[in-house]
Amino acid sequence: DAKTTQPNSMESNEEEPVHLPCNHSTISGTDYIHWYRQLPSQGPEYVIHGLTSNVNNRMASLAIAEDRKSSTLILHRATLRDAAVYYCIPDMNSGGSNYKLTFGKGTLLTVNP
Amino acid sequence: GAGVSQSPSNKVTEKGKDVELRCDPISGHTALYWYRQSLGQGLEFLIYFQGNSAPDKSGLPSDRFSAERTGGSVSTLTIQRTQQEDSAVYLCASSPGYKQYFGPGTRLTVL
Repeated sequence: DAKTTQPNSMESNEEEPVHLPCNHSTISGTDYIHWYRQLPSQGPEYVIHGLTSNVNNRMASLAIAEDRKSSTLILHRATLRDAAVYYCIPDMNSGGSNYKLTFGKGTLLTVNP
Repeated sequence: GAGVSQSPSNKVTEKGKDVELRCDPISGHTALYWYRQSLGQGLEFLIYFQGNSAPDKSGLPSDRFSAERTGGSVSTLTIQRTQQEDSAVYLCASSPGYKQYFGPGTRLTVL
């Protein structure tokens, strides 16, 4: 599995953009990069995923470096509800249809009002 | 629509007792996963079911842990002779493909 490095914690103000970095220098060429987040006292929820191109959805944007050794999750306007632990997870496909997730410690995002 | 549900939400048991944790996945999702999250730790994969295929049990920490999935739907995770280190939140997720939908978890406390 590809190893990931994320900051332990980050802080943002409400309605400001947030850039959450992730290093995954050992990622293989076919590994997707997935982001999940876990709000307090809840199970994780899917945020976004991508392979090579930058991706956007209603929750966030994902910017992937050209060499794919790093990626950045972008929350365009942080809200208090975005306070959560964010997990960057490459190398999900263990073969076939088994997409077991390998979670690291993630980044704890605090959003200040 | 209904999401993944788990029961009970909380379970307190005594060391040495057996416990059963239940997961009701989203209807139509063929894949089902169990994870656990110990206090202050990330999630740890336990087991994966896909249709009628043999489950991937590679994450089960010991032979005290077992799981079954009946009729391709409901799943039960059983822990025999519970130990204090089994205390954790046990999370179930179902998936139609790559995206996983998690339940709220069962918090297990072993005294």
